[in-house]
Amino acid sequence: DAKTTQPTSMDCAEGRAANLPCNHSTISGNEYVYWYRQIHSQGPQYIIHGLKNNETNEMASLIITEDRKSSTLILPHATLRDTAVYYCIVRVAVGNTGNQFYFGTGTSLTVIP
Amino acid sequence: GAVVSQHPSWVICKSGTSVKIECRSLDFQATTMFWYRQFPKQSLMLMATSNEGSKATYEQGVEKDKFLINHASLTLSTLTVTSAHPEDSSFYICSLRTAYEQYFGPGTRLTVT
Repeated sequence: DAKTTQPTSMDCAEGRAANLPCNHSTISGNEYVYWYRQIHSQGPQYIIHGLKNNETNEMASLIITEDRKSSTLILPHATLRDTAVYYCIVRVAVGNTGNQFYFGTGTSLTVIP
Repeated sequence: GAVVSQHPSWVICKSGTSVKIECRSLDFQATTMFWYRQFPKQSLMLMATSNEGSKATYEQGVEKDKFLINHASLTLSTLTVTSAHPEDSSFYICSLRTAYEQYFGPGTRLTVT
């Protein structure tokens, strides 16, 4: 079962930062936070993941609160191609049993011209 | 990251027939692959975990005799939908797990008429 809560939908103006929140209040100490996105009729695409520290890569930044009960995915300069459903997933590190990805409902982000 | 392909990308079949979907890892030897199903406007639902050389593990509520999974090699897993019915029409997505991440295939759109 999904262990995360995300807003159903959000809009963002093109060129502005998109901040997508995720609540994971029951996260365990050994569980990572992963973000994926799915553009219509395609497979999910990996964006970023983290455990405790904030992370940044070429696609996005991930901000995790100190108590790890919530996180925010930041797309610094949203483009129209960022319109997609964004999924926040928590799971244990690979190598442990029961570490499948269970998807919640995600946030449908629409980037507006 | 790992590259995952699926074949076919879309298929239409008649009710009562069987359909096989292939999932290939192009650049990674995957001991574990996962199969998901996604109905329109819904999230991905994990169907089963495919283990190379052993029986697949099915999620609760998924009929193992209807959705046959074979993971005969480290680069190929197949999902066969047997005696397909219109309610099996869906988007089927496979994925594989690497050391830290999970990569998804592009999906197969199945339509049963």
